[in-house]
Amino acid sequence: EVQVLESGGGLVQPGGSLRLSCAASGFTFSSYAMSWVRQAPGKGLEWVSTISGSGDVTYYADSVKGRFTISRDNSKNTLYLQMNSLRAEDTAVFYCAKGSKPSGVGVWGQGTTVTVSS
Amino acid sequence: DIQMTQSPSSLSASVGDRVTITCRASQSISSYLNWYQQKPKKAPKLLIYAASSLQSGVPSRFSGSGSGTEFTLTISSLQPEDFATYYCQQSYSFPWTFGQGTKVEIK
Repeated sequence: EVQVLESGGGLVQPGGSLRLSCAASGFTFSSYAMSWVRQAPGKGLEWVSTISGSGDVTYYADSVKGRFTISRDNSKNTLYLQMNSLRAEDTAVFYCAKGSKPSGVGVWGQGTTVTVSS
Repeated sequence: DIQMTQSPSSLSASVGDRVTITCRASQSISSYLNWYQQKPKKAPKLLIYAASSLQSGVPSRFSGSGSGTEFTLTISSLQPEDFATYYCQQSYSFPWTFGQGTKVEIK
C-alpha cells in the first residue's frame, strides 16, 4: 500500500526552526516528485514546495522562499522540510504529498500540525 | 502566478440533487486541473485529475469537464457522504495554486 507519514510538527516560538519529516512506503520513492502542502486553521489549501525525484530541482511558494528548504534522502525513502524564521502565519497543518503535473496529488499523509506562537 | 477562482463558495443541496461547481483559471492551463474533496480534520482526497479523469476508487457520480480556463465538477446525485469542501488545483505550472474551496452543505 502506498503511504506517506509525516512527523516533526509541534509548538515553536516566532523566529524559531522546525524540521518536518515524511516517511514514504509502497512505491519507488526516488522515481517521484514529492511536495508539501499546508492548511492554516479554517483556511484553504496552500502549496508550499516540490522537489524532483532525484532531488536536484526544487520549487517554493513565495511565502516561504528563503526560509524553508525542501530535501529528500532517497536511501531512506524520506522527505524533509526545514523551516527557519518561522512566523505566526506559518501555523498550519502540513501535508506530505505525492503528485505530478499530469496526475494531480494522489497520495496525502495525515498531516502534522505546526503552531508558531510565543 | 495563476489564480484559481471557484464558484460558488458554498451551496446547500439535498441528497439526490445534481451539483455543479465551477473553477476558472486566470490564464490557460490546458487540462492540468485537478479536483479534491476534503472532510473536516481529514486530508484532501483526489477525485478528478487532468480535468476529466476519474481517480481510481472514486464513485462514477463524480465527473469533471473543461479545458483552457473554465472547468466544472459535477456530482450527478448527491449522497450523504459527499457533504464536504471541494477544491480545484492547477498543476500546469509552479507555483501550484488552489481555488478557495466550495463547501457543500445539507439543505
